[in-house]
Amino acid sequence: SYDLTQPPSVSVSPGQTASITCSGEKLGDRYVSWYQQKPGQSPVVVIYQDNKRPSGIPERFSGSNSGISATLTISGTQTVDEADYFCQAWGSTTVGFGGGTKVTVL
Amino acid sequence: QVYLQESGPGVVTPSETLSLTCTVSRGSISTYYWSWIRQPPGKGLEWIGYIYFNGYTNYNPSLKGRVIMSVDTTENQISLNLNFVTAADTAVYFCARAEVGDAFDVWGQGTSVTVTS
Repeated sequence: SYDLTQPPSVSVSPGQTASITCSGEKLGDRYVSWYQQKPGQSPVVVIYQDNKRPSGIPERFSGSNSGISATLTISGTQTVDEADYFCQAWGSTTVGFGGGTKVTVL
Repeated sequence: QVYLQESGPGVVTPSETLSLTCTVSRGSISTYYWSWIRQPPGKGLEWIGYIYFNGYTNYNPSLKGRVIMSVDTTENQISLNLNFVTAADTAVYFCARAEVGDAFDVWGQGTSVTVTS
């Protein structure tokens, strides 16, 4: 399987910046996507192809991939952004998801 | 916008086969790769495998040959069979669509499956 590693939790104050990292083997060779999941809901993609935002996703969400790790950044975090966030990438033959990061806004 | 709807029994007996169906509506099944992804209670996401409309499949090796996926292009449905289930297979099961190498851009609402005697 393709293993991706994320911190289990991140806390941020409203209006501040939250950053979530994702590390995995040869991450620079593949696209990284990020998903937001709220309790009882399906995941929603917030970043695809490392740094692209789907239509309808606020501009405060951004992504980057340095090759060593990928980062999801939420600028000006709002209380509605409190959720679990998962990174995802395709390995050579499988799909990997990070273990998820719970973002708490307080 | 394409819509995915999972269906199947909410309870499965240990050692039996879990069978789920994902119906694709408002879009064609004859493009994209269609995956099954599961999430045990309180845990993260696990990719189970994908199928293409021509029947080509790729499964997660961690499921050790217990998985079979199929596609019915006339009904616009993808099916999942997971054999010899145990309590560890208790999860919410999602179907989702993606191009290989890209994001899962559309997800079903998920269906909860509990393995219990």
